[in-house]
Amino acid sequence: GIQVEQSPPDLILQEGANSTLRCNFSDSVNNLQWFHQNPWGQLINLFYIPSGTKQNGRLSATTVATERYSLLYISSSQTTDSGVYFCAVPTDSWGKLQFGAGTQVVVTP
Amino acid sequence: GAGVSQSPRYKVTKRGQDVALRCDPISGHVSLYWYRQALGQGPEFLTYFNYEAQQDKSGLPNDRFSAERPEGSISTLTIQRTEQRDSAMYRCASSSSGGATNTGELFFGEGSRLTVL
Repeated sequence: GIQVEQSPPDLILQEGANSTLRCNFSDSVNNLQWFHQNPWGQLINLFYIPSGTKQNGRLSATTVATERYSLLYISSSQTTDSGVYFCAVPTDSWGKLQFGAGTQVVVTP
Repeated sequence: GAGVSQSPRYKVTKRGQDVALRCDPISGHVSLYWYRQALGQGPEFLTYFNYEAQQDKSGLPNDRFSAERPEGSISTLTIQRTEQRDSAMYRCASSSSGGATNTGELFFGEGSRLTVL
């Protein structure tokens, strides 16, 4: 099946810093989602981004489908950005998602 | 409803008991997925419904696990004779798209945290 690798596994940031999270996948995909799991366990949709670039406030994402990777940018980080960031891609035509292992982000005041 | 709703949010049970976890998807969503997430890991697929049809149950770990979606809306995941290794967060997701060429966005509920003593 398709492999999804995220890096780095852990990230510690000072409030106000910028960061880039990476997601590599082993096969071509027609869908990619980024999620944020907050410290309360909620899994929140950030981006649905099969290709191209999208922005939502301080977050933006870019997917280069032909090169099989996606990047999530966090700018001017805040303590509320702490949590685990997952990317996920479909493994079959029914839309079943395969998740990466996640990047644990801690933003310190 | 506005989002995917799951109940109970927390369930503590004794080994050997049966548990039923409920998922109410976003209104009108065709596809429904169940996932299980162990602590420190990403969600792992359990089963998928397209309307009321269970199209894929390849992720169910053994025959103690079953799921149904009889009217194509609410779904129930049932675990019989629970074991300690079943302790995890069980998440439900739904998507407005369906069928064999589904590229739709998945939306997850807040999950049901199961603890088996």
